[in-house]
Amino acid sequence: EAGVVQSPRYKIIEKKQPVAFWCNPISGHNTLYWYLQNLGQGPELLIRYENEEAVDDSQLPKDRFSAERLKGVDSTLKIQPAELGDSAVYLCASSSGRGNSSSYNEQFFGPGTRLTVL
Amino acid sequence: AQSVTQLDSQVPVFEEAPVELRCNYSSSVSVYLFWYVQYPNQGLQLLLKYLSGSTLVKGINGFEAEFNKSQTSFHLRKPSVHISDTAEYFCAVSGGFQKLVFGTGTRLLVSP
Repeated sequence: EAGVVQSPRYKIIEKKQPVAFWCNPISGHNTLYWYLQNLGQGPELLIRYENEEAVDDSQLPKDRFSAERLKGVDSTLKIQPAELGDSAVYLCASSSGRGNSSSYNEQFFGPGTRLTVL
Repeated sequence: AQSVTQLDSQVPVFEEAPVELRCNYSSSVSVYLFWYVQYPNQGLQLLLKYLSGSTLVKGINGFEAEFNKSQTSFHLRKPSVHISDTAEYFCAVSGGFQKLVFGTGTRLLVSP
């Protein structure tokens, strides 16, 4: 079974340029997550989708970041314009089922996209 | 809200020695606890999880962890490490609703 696929694996851009990351979750997983991992830190959730609905985007900087999951399968995360401080690894994860307070469904992570902003 | 503290940023150890990676958490609600491993240039892989039941949890690659509610800890242990265990290890907590909060990670360095 294929895991979570992300592309590109590496991206180098100049500041103020736009950039987009793509994620294809594990087949059948209806929940998709985008995380930001700064150097030397743990991942931090940016946004969580259940199917095509963004159910938690409270940590997404909406002035420059946007995300979409139009058909409830793959997803794109965009930054426009990129800033130097956006240099980080962007991780995508997926899980089955819906989140509630009394259960937990394992999140499976992709390899990430390492963004460098010059 | 939940938070996780991993006090050790780096743990050097010799091959075949035992190791313990420390994790303390803070939460006002019942929690689920996790340990993830991240090898260089790869995503995170789940090592083990505590959801309920026995406080001693066994995971993959010979790792285990013990949930201690009174000390709010979930330390990761392995009795004998290998060179291939060199990686970054993240403790994480969830209060439900699929929301994971990660610690800052501990780099395990295994040398011959």
